[in-house]
Amino acid sequence: GQQLNQSPQSMFIQEGEDVSMNCTSSSIFNTWLWYKQDPGEGPVLLIALYKAGELTSNGRLTAQFGITRKDSFLNISASIPSDVGIYFCAGQVDSNYQLIWGAGTKLIIKP
Amino acid sequence: NAGVTQTPKFRVLKTGQSMTLLCAQDMNHEYMYWYRQDPGMGLRLIHYSVGEGTTAKGEVPDGYNVSRLKKQNFLLGLESAAPSQTSVYFCASSYTAFARGKLAKNIQYFGAGTRLSVL
Repeated sequence: GQQLNQSPQSMFIQEGEDVSMNCTSSSIFNTWLWYKQDPGEGPVLLIALYKAGELTSNGRLTAQFGITRKDSFLNISASIPSDVGIYFCAGQVDSNYQLIWGAGTKLIIKP
Repeated sequence: NAGVTQTPKFRVLKTGQSMTLLCAQDMNHEYMYWYRQDPGMGLRLIHYSVGEGTTAKGEVPDGYNVSRLKKQNFLLGLESAAPSQTSVYFCASSYTAFARGKLAKNIQYFGAGTRLSVL
C-alpha cells in the first residue's frame, strides 16, 4: 500500500534554531497537509498545500509542495518553547477520502 | 464552537468487555473518521463514513464496528476488547470541496482523543 516516509523521527534543538522536516512518498499526491499534535490533544492543521511547487507560510512556519508531487517540506524559523510537539504530514490522492499519514516528527527543545 | 467532541476521554476495560466511543461534530461535515494512534506509528484509519447511514473499512478495521445513524455522530464499538486494542483513539470530521467532479480539498478536524487501556 501507499506509504509516507517522514524524517527525522525526532529532533532536539535549541530555542531560536530553525527546524526542517520532510515527507516523501512512492506515490503522487494532489494534496499535502501538515498537522501539529500537542501532548494530550488531537492533531491540528497547520498548512494545506494543493499545487506542485506551492510555497505557503503560516507565521514562522513555511511548507512546500514538491515539484515531483512525491514530497513536501516543513520549516520552522526561530523556534520557541511552544513549538514542542509532534508534527505529522499527510497526503491525499485524487478522489479518495482517506489521508495517508507519516509517522510523525517529535520536536524537543533543549532547555 | 465545540468542533469535534469525543467521549469518554479515558477508559479502562478488562479483556472481553465491550464499549462504545462516541464522536460528535457540530460543523455539518459529511465525512467522519476513526483512527488509532500507537507510539511511533502515526495515525491508522479504522473505519470511516462518507455520509449518514454509510460506513467503510479503513486500514485496521478488525475487532471494531461503527455506526453513523445521525450525520453529527459517529460511534466506534469494541465488542470484545483485547489488550492489542490499548491505544489512543481519535475521531475526525472533514470539510470537503470538489472541483470538476473530483475531491479537491479534504481537511480533517480532530477531537481531543480517548485513551483506552485493556487489561
